[in-house]
Amino acid sequence: DAGVIQSPRHEVTEMGQEVTLRCKPISGHNSLFWYRQTMMRGLELLIYFNNNVPIDDSGMPEDRFSAKMPNASFSTLKIQPSEPRDSAVYFCASRGQGGPSFGPGTRLTVL
Amino acid sequence: RKEVEQDPGPFNVPEGATVAFNCTYSNSASQSFFWYRQDCRKEPKLLMSVYSSGNEDGRFTAQLNRASQYISLLIRDSKLSDSATYLCVVNPSIVGGNNRKLIWGLGTSLAVNP
Repeated sequence: DAGVIQSPRHEVTEMGQEVTLRCKPISGHNSLFWYRQTMMRGLELLIYFNNNVPIDDSGMPEDRFSAKMPNASFSTLKIQPSEPRDSAVYFCASRGQGGPSFGPGTRLTVL
Repeated sequence: RKEVEQDPGPFNVPEGATVAFNCTYSNSASQSFFWYRQDCRKEPKLLMSVYSSGNEDGRFTAQLNRASQYISLLIRDSKLSDSATYLCVVNPSIVGGNNRKLIWGLGTSLAVNP
């Protein structure tokens, strides 16, 4: 069965550009999480949704970050404008019962 | 006190050794607990859920101690392929609650050496 799907897998962009990360959760999972991971800060929760509704976005760094979940099978995380300090691996995860399942991540580099 | 704290790493052990990791949590109402494994440049993957009665999966044993508010992971007969970072995860939600936010430890690095 397909796991969590993320795209793109790698993104290199220049400072100031808009970046959109995409996620398709596992069918039937009703919670979706966006995480960011860096060597310095570890795994940080940015935002999570229950049944497509944003529940907690307290981890979103600032207004440059926004996330949407228009339906149960799709979510986006957008950074506009991007900055070099946004460089990290961004994971999407979905959860039904049990622990969440992670996608392969998007490795973002902002030059 | 941090919400979730793990043993400081890294752990360097020889093949065949037994190694144990502990993880403490601060919220006594926490209901769900997990251990994840993360390989270098890969996503975290669920290793085990942790149940009140303790559970075992091959060489891996997970236990929960509610009184002392910690969970543990024991790896027996360690293999080179066990080298990874092990992440402790706690769901501090009440039974029947809708809070699905998970609290992650920073991870413990394990290196199994030949």
